[in-house]
Amino acid sequence: GAVVSQHPSWVICKSGTSVKIECRSLDFQATTMFWYRQFPKQSLMLMATSNEGSKATYEQGVEKDKFLINHASLTLSTLTVTSAHPEDSSFYICSANPGTGIGNTIYFGEGSWLTVV
Amino acid sequence: LAKTTQPISMDSYEGQEVNITCSHNNIATNDYITWYQQFPSQGPRFIIQGYKTKVTNEVASLFIPADRKSSTLSLPRVSLSDTAVYYCLVGDSASGTYKYIFGTGTRLKVLA
Repeated sequence: GAVVSQHPSWVICKSGTSVKIECRSLDFQATTMFWYRQFPKQSLMLMATSNEGSKATYEQGVEKDKFLINHASLTLSTLTVTSAHPEDSSFYICSANPGTGIGNTIYFGEGSWLTVV
Repeated sequence: LAKTTQPISMDSYEGQEVNITCSHNNIATNDYITWYQQFPSQGPRFIIQGYKTKVTNEVASLFIPADRKSSTLSLPRVSLSDTAVYYCLVGDSASGTYKYIFGTGTRLKVLA
């Protein structure tokens, strides 16, 4: 099946620094990718929709200046957590849609653990 | 808001068939129903997808009644390795972009 890869799998950063997480669709092109965050024992929460060649669409309550999303190509979206704080520590998961319409299966990456110390 | 409702948790024993039902009363006419499995510290993994009636693949079956307001994921003869969280998802296209909003999922524990 379709493969979505994230990098890094885990990262530790100091408070106040920025960290970038990459999401790649390895065997298909994706005009749309999605970023989720997940806290332990909780469900996935959609943060934003990443659109190739245009600005991301953020869900209500998600700070766009803190979570910068760039979707510069059809196979790569990046999430940059700026000025990270301990409360940003979480499991970040991306997903990609190989099609453009309803009914296309969305595939998820392996996730990236962020720990801010 | 999530468009699906599932039981929060279920227990089963090895070798049994497990059925997890999901309610999606407000499913749109053109929405598909997709089920994912998630293990701790991993991304959700696609299990099965369907639109109506019954769909079967090598790992599961999906039953969808005619009104499509619910669906049931059936896992035959579960093993300990099937212990995971199972999510039922229908798309949300209200914003103009087809996306998935996760509900609570069902935490399945398979016992020996």
